[in-house]
Amino acid sequence: GQNIDQPTEMTATEGAIVQINCTYQTSGFNGLFWYQQHAGEAPTFLSYNVLDGLEEKGRFSSFLSRSKGYSYLLLKELQMKDSASYLCAVLDSNYQLIWGAGTKLIIKP
Amino acid sequence: DVKVTQSSRYLVKRTGEKVFLECVQDMDHENMFWYRQDPGLGLRLIYFSYDVKMKEKGDIPEGYSVSREKKERFSLILESASTNQTSMYLCASSPLRDVNTEAFFGQGTRLTVV
Repeated sequence: GQNIDQPTEMTATEGAIVQINCTYQTSGFNGLFWYQQHAGEAPTFLSYNVLDGLEEKGRFSSFLSRSKGYSYLLLKELQMKDSASYLCAVLDSNYQLIWGAGTKLIIKP
Repeated sequence: DVKVTQSSRYLVKRTGEKVFLECVQDMDHENMFWYRQDPGLGLRLIYFSYDVKMKEKGDIPEGYSVSREKKERFSLILESASTNQTSMYLCASSPLRDVNTEAFFGQGTRLTVV
């Protein structure tokens, strides 16, 4: 079966750095997405990786290793507004998105 | 500004009622999706459509049907609502079937079946 694993919840301090991991086992791979979802709101796109390596976009970076079936989202200089759930999703060989359950990130002052 | 609009943010329906959830997108996207989101389970695909009048079952289609009569509108129908269909329902759209681009989501409809 297809599976995406993420930690359920993480806590970090304002101004710090946090890394949210995602491991996947899917039938084929056509890219990995990270989305941010604030409570009660729609998910919004953060990043897309299809090649190995690190993609940096401001305070957020996303890393992919296809051989290891592994990705992480790195958030720097954490702000209170970064408190949200972070969803990892893989595009499989049929171009269907397989979603992880999401990681709830709690930022403390 | 791109937009996916769901007709209701909150709905309360009785068991056995027929329920319609509407979704409209203004981006001329070919693909549209209906998901449900439950705590600890992530997003689960109910149905999707990649063209007008086309529909395909997702992972959990039982108890649901869909309609896509116009490109911009994708409706989810609960034929006879049951309490286990209490959930957050999210509509999404994306351009073309196999282009690796992000999906855009509506605000969600929180449905409670009593």
